[in-house]
Amino acid sequence: DQQVKQNSPSLSVQEGRISILNCDYTNSMFDYFLWYKKYPAEGPTFLISISSIKDKNEDGRFTVFLNKSAKHLSLHIVPSQPGDSAVYFCAASNHVDDYKLSFGAGTTVTVRA
Amino acid sequence: DTGVSQDPRHKITKRGQNVTFRCDPISEHNRLYWYRQTLGQGPEFLTYFQNEAQLEKSRLLSDRFSAERPKGSFSTLEIQRTEQGDSAMYLCASSHWDSSYEQYFGPGTRLTVT
Repeated sequence: DQQVKQNSPSLSVQEGRISILNCDYTNSMFDYFLWYKKYPAEGPTFLISISSIKDKNEDGRFTVFLNKSAKHLSLHIVPSQPGDSAVYFCAASNHVDDYKLSFGAGTTVTVRA
Repeated sequence: DTGVSQDPRHKITKRGQNVTFRCDPISEHNRLYWYRQTLGQGPEFLTYFQNEAQLEKSRLLSDRFSAERPKGSFSTLEIQRTEQGDSAMYLCASSHWDSSYEQYFGPGTRLTVT
């Protein structure tokens, strides 16, 4: 069963504009959420994370928002740059499960010049 | 600063052969995870270790799969009698005991079974 869902397989955005990636989850026990970025033929690279006790975490151009009541999180990238073109994975875990990650299927972001 | 490394990066094998992959985690990380990723999907958990102890195996890990972490440092994942359905990217990740929620991934081993 897919506990983490990324319903948009792809996103195209113009350079300099905002990219918004969405993620939904079903397991209310998840208490930690992460975003990973992946280039072809490479492993996922950790981008940003958020604990369930927060609703926002910001790191430079990247901000993650968490809405626990809706079981929804989003990643905002602003401004988008050509180097941001990659596949972005949403992942969730909980401490009871020793932080095993459950991943969404990914969203491919293409930043147009 | 050395991150997680995996060897080999690519492996092509014939159905029925055995293959073994190696993962070297970040040196001070005591947790090591294995995931498998197939085309169009996100990584799926296979198994994980805390030091040398294998604490959990996913139901995805059939009897043909075995993983070890003999001295709590590097880990190996062996697949016996490979099948075409085993073709995937095998990813290793590690984390530190006091920040287990953040896992750092290696580049993966791409397995193709012909």
